[in-house]
Amino acid sequence: DAKTTQPTSMDCAEGRAANLPCNHSTISGNEYVYWYRQIHSQGPQYIIHGLKNNETNEMASLIITEDRKSSTLILPHATLRDTAVYYCIVRVAGRSSNTGKLIFGQGTTLQVKP
Amino acid sequence: NAGVTQTPKFQVLKTGQSMTLQCAQDMNHEYMSWYRQDPGMGLRLIHYSVGAGITDQGEVPNGYNVSRSTTEDFPLRLLSAAPSQTSVYFCASSYSQGLSSPLHFGNGTRLTVT
Repeated sequence: DAKTTQPTSMDCAEGRAANLPCNHSTISGNEYVYWYRQIHSQGPQYIIHGLKNNETNEMASLIITEDRKSSTLILPHATLRDTAVYYCIVRVAGRSSNTGKLIFGQGTTLQVKP
Repeated sequence: NAGVTQTPKFQVLKTGQSMTLQCAQDMNHEYMSWYRQDPGMGLRLIHYSVGAGITDQGEVPNGYNVSRSTTEDFPLRLLSAAPSQTSVYFCASSYSQGLSSPLHFGNGTRLTVT
């Protein structure tokens, strides 16, 4: 079962910041939080990931709470092309402690509106 | 950079037929995996491999076989296709099996079993 909880859908005005929340209350100490998005029926696109510190790249910022039980993906200036399904995923340790599987949940459908 | 290449893009099978979905990556990635995506179900892990000669089951392995004879290739075999296997299949790879290594996805194979 997926270890994350996300809202089913969200709207955002074009040019504004989109803040997508995610709860992962059962995350373990060595498990990373990943964000992907999927546009139409294309393959999921990697956005960003983090362990405990906030992260930023050219696409987005990731804010992780101090207790690591939740996080927020921030798209600073959303465009129409950012309309997609966004998945928050905890990479699960496998049989060896450093083997990671990505278990996808249902994701959040972000609709960016003009 | 080709990245992760999946073939074919589309396939129609009749119940009971067999086929192999091909996946190749040119990034010298150690970790490879197969997912299926069904409406309302998100992505579900079928099988994964942490290196040549090593494979393991994911969430929904029944009806599928995999092998990993080379680093580059990770084919998914359907020995006797069933209508329940109608889905979109995604292959993904990452540099290492470590939890901090992002997965990169192909663009999918759309399979219909009649």
